Formats: sequence, structure tokens, C-alpha cells
Amino acid sequence: QVQLQESGPGLVKPSQTLSLTCTVSGASISSGSYFWSWLRQPAGKALEYIGRVYTSGSTNSNPSLRSRVTVSIDTSKNHFSLKLTSVTAADTAVYYCARKVDGQGWFDSWGQGILVTVSS
Amino acid sequence: EIMMTQSPATLSVSPGERATLSCRASQSLSNNLAWYQLKRGQAPRLLIYGASTRATGIPARFSGSGSGTEFTLTISSLQSEDLAVYSCQQYETWPPTFGQGTKVEIK
Repeated sequence: QVQLQESGPGLVKPSQTLSLTCTVSGASISSGSYFWSWLRQPAGKALEYIGRVYTSGSTNSNPSLRSRVTVSIDTSKNHFSLKLTSVTAADTAVYYCARKVDGQGWFDSWGQGILVTVSS
Repeated sequence: EIMMTQSPATLSVSPGERATLSCRASQSLSNNLAWYQLKRGQAPRLLIYGASTRATGIPARFSGSGSGTEFTLTISSLQSEDLAVYSCQQYETWPPTFGQGTKVEIK
């Protein structure tokens, strides 16, 4: 069974870049037809879709964040990553990585999430 | 972007009783709706997709219904382990969007 685990700094200063990695175990990130995705949930608010990288390496992101988001994949390390630039306090949230099967709309596997706080 | 509204914000239910959670969409989704269970410190768990299809391994006490703009998640007999926040997600249009969640408390 596939498992996902987020890692990265829990504290980022305003205006800096948030960088997170999602390590996938139990399956090869380069096999199958999957979208490897990032989502986040600020305290008391709804989950928000951030962006995704396909098994082939192609990417897409939420228009609301597109100019600040980079999602990438490293098949040699079986992980994918998120970079969010120019962060502010509004980017404080629990960040999740998740998997979505190509052709389906739901997320069938998730990581447990990592709290990232933006503060000086 | 489709807006998702969940109600109530908090639901208190006694063990063994039925819990009924609602999710409303700002436009028709057909049946392109999923439900998730979120517990602090744990990976979110997919419960329902296609509005009414249980995901693999999900107990039969969880059921989903509805289509168009109105959807319901029912927990037929609440267990203590069902204490969680439940969130609905639409995938009719991109980007996918979520409701703010319903917190289920044990009365």
C-alpha cells in the first residue's frame, strides 16, 4: 500500500521560500498514471488545492497561487516537491501531499500533513 | 471556481445514533463529489467518491447520497472512532474545491 510523508521546515520567515518534500513508499513514483499533488489547510478554513506534477513531469497549479508555485518530481529519490515563494502569514497552514489517479477526480492516498508557520 | 458549503459546522451525536452531514455546491456537480475524514495528526482518509461509492475498506455504516448541488454523508451508527472533521470535495471543474468541514463530536 502506498504511503506518503511530508518533510521540511516547520517555520519560514515572511518573504522567503517555503520548500517541502513528499516521500513516497510502497510504490514507484514513476510508474502508473498518477498526479502527485499538494494541498493545504489554514486553521479553521477549507482545504485548498495548490498544484500537481504528473508521472511524466508535467505540472499544473491553482491559478490563485500559480505565480508563486513550483511542483517538481525526482524519480531517482521517489519523491516530489513543492516550492512556494514570497510567503506571508496567510500561507501558514497544514500542508498535505496526496495522490490522484489520472482520469479520477478524488485523492485516494494522503500524507499526514506538516504544519508550516510563516513568522519572523 | 465552485464554492462548497457544509452544514452544520459542528454536529454532536451519541454513540450508536445516526449522523447526517450536508454539502451544497454553488453549481451542479452531477455526481462528481468525494467525502474525506480528517483526524489531527493522521492522513486524511477517502470515504466516498462518485457521491455514493464507498472507497476500499470503508465500513458500511458510511454512506453517501445526492446529486446536482445537494449531497449528504450519513454515518448510520456512530462509533467513538468516527470523531473527526468530514470534508466534501467537488471534482466537476478544475481546480478541485473543498467545503470547510463538519466537525463530528461524540455527545
